[in-house]
Amino acid sequence: EAGVAQSPRYKIIEKRQSVAFWCNPISGHATLYWYQQILGQGPKLLIQFQNNGVVDDSQLPKDRFSAERLKGVDSTLKIQPAKLEDSAVYLCASSLVHNDISSYEQYFGPGTRLTVT
Amino acid sequence: AQSVAQPEDQVNVAEGNPLTVKCTYSVSGNPYLFWYVQYPNRGLQFLLKYITGDNLVKGSYGFEAEFNKSQTSFHLKKPSALVSDSALYFCAVRGYSNYQLIWGAGTKLIIKP
Repeated sequence: EAGVAQSPRYKIIEKRQSVAFWCNPISGHATLYWYQQILGQGPKLLIQFQNNGVVDDSQLPKDRFSAERLKGVDSTLKIQPAKLEDSAVYLCASSLVHNDISSYEQYFGPGTRLTVT
Repeated sequence: AQSVAQPEDQVNVAEGNPLTVKCTYSVSGNPYLFWYVQYPNRGLQFLLKYITGDNLVKGSYGFEAEFNKSQTSFHLKKPSALVSDSALYFCAVRGYSNYQLIWGAGTKLIIKP
């Protein structure tokens, strides 16, 4: 079974530039998550999709971050414009469903390390 | 408010010795508890979970965790540590009424030969 795919693995941009990350979840997983992980901290949920609908985006800075999952499969996360404090690892995860605890394990991709200079 | 605490930033253990990585939680309702491991430059990997039933849960790579409701703890354990167990370990909890995972800050586990 293929895992969660993410690209790019690394990205360096200047502040005020824009950047986009791509994620392809495990086949058949209805739920997709984007997390931000700052060095030395646990992951922070940015947005959660169930199929192509948003379940939770309460911690997404909507003035600069956007995300979509148009066909209910792969997803993109965009930052425009980037700030220095956006430097972090952006993790994508997927799970079968979000409201069935028996199948709730989240499977993570390798992450994209973003450096904003 | 729901929260997870991992009181140790780093745990050092000699290879072959038992290891414990501590986690305490605060959540309303029944807790659903998880442990994940993160190796350098890699995403998080699921280790084990507690939903209900036996308080001792067995997971991947020989790890187990003990759920203690009275102490609101879910400590990760392994009887004999390997150098390859060196990694960052995260505890997470999902509340009964909230589908989000609340994550601890992580504990760096260093196993010395």
